[in-house]
Amino acid sequence: GAVVSQHPSWVICKSGTSVKIECRSLDFQATTMFWYRQFPKQSLMLMATSNEGSKATYEQGVEKDKFLINHASLTLSTLTVTSAHPEDSSFYICSASGSTYEQYFGPGTRLTVT
Amino acid sequence: TQLLEQSPQFLSIQEGENLTVYCNSSSVFSSLQWYRQEPGEGPVLLVTVVTGGEVKKLKRLTFQFGDARKDSSLHITAAQPGDTGLYLCAGEENNTGKLIFGQGTTLQVKP
Repeated sequence: GAVVSQHPSWVICKSGTSVKIECRSLDFQATTMFWYRQFPKQSLMLMATSNEGSKATYEQGVEKDKFLINHASLTLSTLTVTSAHPEDSSFYICSASGSTYEQYFGPGTRLTVT
Repeated sequence: TQLLEQSPQFLSIQEGENLTVYCNSSSVFSSLQWYRQEPGEGPVLLVTVVTGGEVKKLKRLTFQFGDARKDSSLHITAAQPGDTGLYLCAGEENNTGKLIFGQGTTLQVKP
């Protein structure tokens, strides 16, 4: 149980375009979903927290207009990187939590902006 | 913002050796979780500790939560090459569900 999927697993896009990443909880209802960013050989940095049906809470320094988060249902959250630039290239990971405090992570999405 | 210091950041040992990874903070956490991450994949939850002084064992892995719930350790006995990976500790902030991650420990176990 507690499986979280992400799609796509990797994506290459041109500078200036937008990219949408999906995060789904497959076998439980996720009241809260989290989005992280991870650079090579570094730890996870929390970008934002989203609760189903409400606006996401962004961490300090994360541009909410650039990283659009939608948590429309208890099993789906999306992260859209708008007007992507090469410096946005990174490994984006989502996690989901339900009735307990434990977070279950997706497999990650590798974004490369050329 | 609470901080979690993880050490060492890199560890290279021979198969059969023991090792300990530490996570320390000046802040109290509601719970603390340990994850293992393989390259190009998401972290996989190993254990969650909630009670101060709690000790949990997972085969050759022993996890301990400090009495004051400010620190934790992961001890691996007789490490094997399959233990190689990135180990992350993460503290839950004030019962919010929000996790603060340590810097991670990259473990390499040589056969």
